[in-house]
Amino acid sequence: DAGITQSPRYKITETGRQVTLMCHQTWSHSYMFWYRQDLGHGLRLIYYSAAADITDKGEVPDGYVVSRSKTENFPLTLESATRSQTSVYFCASHERAQGGTQYFGPGTRLLVL
Amino acid sequence: AQRVTQPEKLLSVFKGAPVELKCNYSYSGSPELFWYVQYSRQRLQLLLRHISRESIKGFTADLNKGETSFHLKKPFAQEEDSAMYYCALSTLRTDKLIFGTGTRLQVFP
Repeated sequence: DAGITQSPRYKITETGRQVTLMCHQTWSHSYMFWYRQDLGHGLRLIYYSAAADITDKGEVPDGYVVSRSKTENFPLTLESATRSQTSVYFCASHERAQGGTQYFGPGTRLLVL
Repeated sequence: AQRVTQPEKLLSVFKGAPVELKCNYSYSGSPELFWYVQYSRQRLQLLLRHISRESIKGFTADLNKGETSFHLKKPFAQEEDSAMYYCALSTLRTDKLIFGTGTRLQVFP
């Protein structure tokens, strides 16, 4: 479980501010993902990355930006936070050669006022 | 389009009762199906996947391609089974997971 970490664990911000959520994994997994978890919607994919410098949109990418300059890090940036982005954000990683299971971080609870 | 449906938002049972959490999927090819569990304020963790055909913590799930279902079952629920359960689908063409909306299982003593 310690292989994938997220920071901060809790964040309160105001509408319009830029916020960056960090995700770090120590397994050198190729794939990394960002999800948001909302009541009634389950988990929805925001962005994912198949390798360093390769990213792609998921189901709900609007208002978010990602980068993957190093295999182990996959930060998620809210360029101008909105109240609708109040959510719990989960990062996950996966290596297809190991069977396809995704491993999740502990989550970041974000409140946008 | 691929979709996962979990029709029950909440399932409440008493300890020792059988449990079945329903999951139906929509996908024309051969899916890979998973059940993930999230205990209170913890990270999601894999419970089981259909390829493994194993039983974890007494839970089993069988893929029924004819009914496009992957229901999770346990014959005797325990209080520690109380959690949020998510069914998820992945396809051979992508490494993404598509999640259902989740079912909260409450097991009362």
